[in-house]
Amino acid sequence: DAGITQSPRYKITETGRQVTLMCHQTWSHSYMFWYRQDLGHGLRLIYYSAAADITDKGEVPDGYVVSRSKTENFPLTLESATRSQTSVYFCASSESGARRGYGYTFGSGTRLTVV
Amino acid sequence: GESVGLHLPTLSVQEGDNSIINCAYSNSASDYFIWYKQESGKGPQFIIDIRSNMDKRQGQRVTVLLNKTVKHLSLQIAATQPGDSAVYFCAENAPSYGGSQGNLIFGKGTKLSVKP
Repeated sequence: DAGITQSPRYKITETGRQVTLMCHQTWSHSYMFWYRQDLGHGLRLIYYSAAADITDKGEVPDGYVVSRSKTENFPLTLESATRSQTSVYFCASSESGARRGYGYTFGSGTRLTVV
Repeated sequence: GESVGLHLPTLSVQEGDNSIINCAYSNSASDYFIWYKQESGKGPQFIIDIRSNMDKRQGQRVTVLLNKTVKHLSLQIAATQPGDSAVYFCAENAPSYGGSQGNLIFGKGTKLSVKP
């Protein structure tokens, strides 16, 4: 099915472990984004990518790593998970950047709990 | 602080009434704005957008108004239905943030509750 999918839907991990959240889109959108959503903070940008092999930091990148070897995939890795990274993570994609008037399409989210 | 914010964090309306959700933005260079709806347990869903060269845009039961003079954005929902209950976010394009294409900056959201 066409769309943007995130996996896993829910994840519990221990402090210090590495965990990877997956994001896959079928539209061949150039832009992909990772946001985290926390009460009181709304959606905050972690990393984004304008194309394959091009990534850049957002507002809250510390503790996260991304890669984009293929246009359709944009995994987010927490190298050493901390409790402050407990959050709901949303991946989004866009045909072009917001400046050109393209909105983002979001996945259903991954709820990550770090214990 | 946030460059995009909301006047009311919660809004409760009666079914059938009109709803108005407000948003203030601070970046006068922003030229594109979007309203998103987020239902519980789901990702944000695009509702309607507007460019800065417009002051009003209408969709199905929704209207977005943009007042650039006071940097204010509003979402009007006509004949609000129980299915409209959700959190609504405004977002602005921030041209100076995130490279040449800019990135969307989101407000914290307003929760809309519709009473039957």
